[in-house]
Formats: sequence, C-alpha cells, structure tokens
Amino acid sequence: DQQVKQNSPSLSVQEGRISILNCDYTNSMFDYFLWYKKYPAEGPTFLISISSIKDKNEDGRFTVFLNKSAKHLSLHIVPSQPGDSAVYFCAAKVVGGSQGNLIFGKGTKLSVKP
Amino acid sequence: ETGVTQSPTHLIKTRGQQVTLRCSSQSGHNTVSWYQQALGQGPQFIFQYYREEENGRGNFPPRFSGLQFPNYSSELNVNALELDDSALYLCASSDGGLAGNEQFFGPGTRLTVL
Repeated sequence: DQQVKQNSPSLSVQEGRISILNCDYTNSMFDYFLWYKKYPAEGPTFLISISSIKDKNEDGRFTVFLNKSAKHLSLHIVPSQPGDSAVYFCAAKVVGGSQGNLIFGKGTKLSVKP
Repeated sequence: ETGVTQSPTHLIKTRGQQVTLRCSSQSGHNTVSWYQQALGQGPQFIFQYYREEENGRGNFPPRFSGLQFPNYSSELNVNALELDDSALYLCASSDGGLAGNEQFFGPGTRLTVL
C-alpha cells in the first residue's frame, strides 16, 4: 500500500512558465512533508519542506502548498528554468514517530524546455 | 562543511555473496538512515542509526544489517545477495534521531547482483 503517491510520472514545461508537481498521501499521521530533487548519478537534494501546521512555505522560486483536508501537497516552481529538469520526489514523515523515516513517492520527472 | 559521502560508487556481485557499503555522515550529524532505490521507484527506508544504536527499521529481512561508529559513519551489510537486491543504495544523514526532519543524501552506491 503506497502511502505517498505521485501520480504523474513526467511533466514537460516551457522555460519561464510555472511547473506544478503534485503529491497525495493516505496516512493522516504524517505531519512533515519534504520535496527532494534528484539529478542522474546523484543522491536526492533537499529542496523545501512544510510542517502540517502551515499551508504554505516559500523559498525563492519554490513554493509548497499543503491541503490537509484533501491530503494533498504541491510544489510550484516559478519561473521554471532548464536547470530545474530533474526527478522530483515528495516525502512524508511522522515527526518523532517510531521509525523516524521518510516515506517517498515514486517521483515525477520534470523537463523544462528552453 | 563536508557533505555525505558513500563508497564504493559502483559494485558488481553475484548471488549468494555478501557486500558492505560505507557512508560518512555530514559534519555535525549524529543520525544515519539507509534507503534502497530500485529502478523507477522512490527510495525505501531500510533502517536508521542514532548514536550507534539502530533506531528504526523498514520492511527488510535480517540479512540487511548495519553499524554506526563513534564518528557517526555507518556501514550497510547485505548477506546472501539476491538478484532483487540490485538497486541504488542511499545513505542520508541528519541531526536529532527521531526528531530530525531534513535528511541530506549522499550520491549513492549502485549495486548490481548477477
């Protein structure tokens, strides 16, 4: 049973436009959410996070929105740049939970075309 | 500040063999988590070590074992290798054990089992 779902395996966007990556989760105990970016042959790089007490967190071109009632979060990248082309993973955790681990989605491959 | 490093980068083994993968955590971090990333999937949690003790474990058999050393570096050992163990193995370091949130990943070790 997949607790974190990224239903779009890929997304293609024109440079300068907005990229919106979506993520759904099923476990209502999750209270911390993260986005990671992964280039080929590299490990995932932490991008941005949000606690369940907030509904929005912004860092430069990246904004994460959390809708707890819908168990949905999204990552907005504005404006998109060719260097943003990578696989984006959504991850969730229960802070202080018995395992402390991150549960990842399968990822969405973003391609930003010049 | 030194980031997370892993060795070796690539490894080829045959079924039934044993393998040891190594990870040096980021300076100042006392927690190391190991993940397995199969092709087309998100990383899956194997286990976490906090101050040299196993701090949580995912759904992996006992032939996956680990160690954390006083300098907080870590090893992942896999015995009796199976073909399905072929994957990218990622190490992530963080601070604070179960309370830690952001995890910082190394580049991974690509294991191929023939």
